[in-house]
Amino acid sequence: EAQVTQNPRYLITVTGKKLTVTCSQNMNHEYMSWYRQDPGLGLRQIYYSMNVEVTDKGDVPEGYKVSRKEKRNFPLILESPSPNQTSLYFCASSFGPNTEAFFGQGTRLTVV
Amino acid sequence: QKEVEQDPGPLSVPEGAIVSLNCTYSNSAFQYFMWYRQYSRKGPELLMYTYSSGNKEDGRFTAQVDKSSKYISLFIRDSQPSDSATYLCAMTGSNTDKLIFGTGTRLQVFP
Repeated sequence: EAQVTQNPRYLITVTGKKLTVTCSQNMNHEYMSWYRQDPGLGLRQIYYSMNVEVTDKGDVPEGYKVSRKEKRNFPLILESPSPNQTSLYFCASSFGPNTEAFFGQGTRLTVV
Repeated sequence: QKEVEQDPGPLSVPEGAIVSLNCTYSNSAFQYFMWYRQYSRKGPELLMYTYSSGNKEDGRFTAQVDKSSKYISLFIRDSQPSDSATYLCAMTGSNTDKLIFGTGTRLQVFP
């Protein structure tokens, strides 16, 4: 089954404790993205990757890191989480930004 | 000014109504226009995809693009309670690697 898998689905952490949200896709997609979704602000792109070892900033990259060492995986790293990073996060993959994006189930992150 | 503007709603309509959802945008280079549907506690899923201007119909759903006005619409005919969801417009073009989303419109169809 074609899918994008994110883990964990829910996470509560404390300020400053490094965390990683994993994302994996099995569709051989080149393009992968991370978004955060906040009430009234919609989906905002954090980082995206056009292919292996190629990453670029989206609209809200501050406080986040990503890596793309393999085509299928695109982890999101918060080195020192802060409460303003409390949000719902989605990973997505596609063949390109102008093709259908497949989304993961989301990760609800709370930073206290 | 945001690149993509979308009324957040909520929009509440009776079953069987025709629903019109809209987005405006500012980047004239946008050529690829999409509508995603997002059910509560789920990720968005592609509903309609349109390239450049014109209409596209798929069952009860019709997507329209008016590039001259920088305005896109999604029409839902004979709306059903199962259509209750958040609808997000998204668009991109040849001058960007990003897919830009609207804020989403929450729709509720009541029986």
